[in-house]
Amino acid sequence: SAVISQKPSRDICQRGTSLTIQCQVDSQVTMMFWYRQQPGQSLTLIATANQGSEATYESGFVIDKFPISRPNLTFSTLTVSNMSPEDSSIYLCSAWAVGVQRGDTDTQYFGPGTRLTVL
Amino acid sequence: TQLLEQSPQFLSIQEGENLTVYCNSSSVFSSLQWYRQEPGEGPVLLVTVVTGGEVKKLKRLTFQFGDARKDSSLHITAAQPGDTGLYLCAGYRTDSWGKLQFGAGTQVVVTP
Repeated sequence: SAVISQKPSRDICQRGTSLTIQCQVDSQVTMMFWYRQQPGQSLTLIATANQGSEATYESGFVIDKFPISRPNLTFSTLTVSNMSPEDSSIYLCSAWAVGVQRGDTDTQYFGPGTRLTVL
Repeated sequence: TQLLEQSPQFLSIQEGENLTVYCNSSSVFSSLQWYRQEPGEGPVLLVTVVTGGEVKKLKRLTFQFGDARKDSSLHITAAQPGDTGLYLCAGYRTDSWGKLQFGAGTQVVVTP
C-alpha cells in the first residue's frame, strides 16, 4: 500500500495569486496524478505527473495554469496559477502502484486533498 | 472517451434498510474499482472487480461485475450511519496507462 500526504490541507487565497500544493508518497510509485473535485462531485483528472519530464495534461488543462513538478518517485507539486474564484475546488493527488505479487491488482491511492477557496 | 454512468445520484435511507448503487458503461473495462469518500478525505478503495460475473463481499457490502464487464453494482445490506459517504465507481482507461475514469458518484446518507 501507499500512504499519501498533501500540504496544505486547505487555504483561502486572493484572486490573481498562485498556490503550490505538495504531495508526498511514503514509497516509490510508478505514476502520480492530480485531480480536481468540486464538493460532492466526482473527480476530474488534471494531469499525469511524469518523473523527470513534463507532465501530461488532459483536455481543458494547460501547463501555464497548472504547472506540475515531479522531481523523484515519491514527490510532486501542483501549482494553481493566477487564481480566480472558478478555481475554488478540492485538489487531490493520487499514486498508482503496480501489483507487485502474483494475483495483485494495480491499485490507485489518494491523498486527503487540498481544499482551495479563492476570493 | 469511456463513460461510466452511476445511479442514483443521491440516496437517503434509514438505518437498517438495503441499498444498491449502479455503475454502467457502453465500454468494456478490464477492471472496475469502487471507492468511498468521506468529507475532507480522499477516496478510499473498497474493492476491485476483474472477472466478468465476479461477486465480492466486504462485510455488508456486495460488489458484482457484469458478465460483459460493462457494468457493476454495489449492494449494502442493513445500512448503518457509518456507511454514509460518496461512493464512486472507476475503471482504468484503455487509452492511457494507469488513468482512471470516474463515474459521477452517488451520495449516500444513512440516518439513524
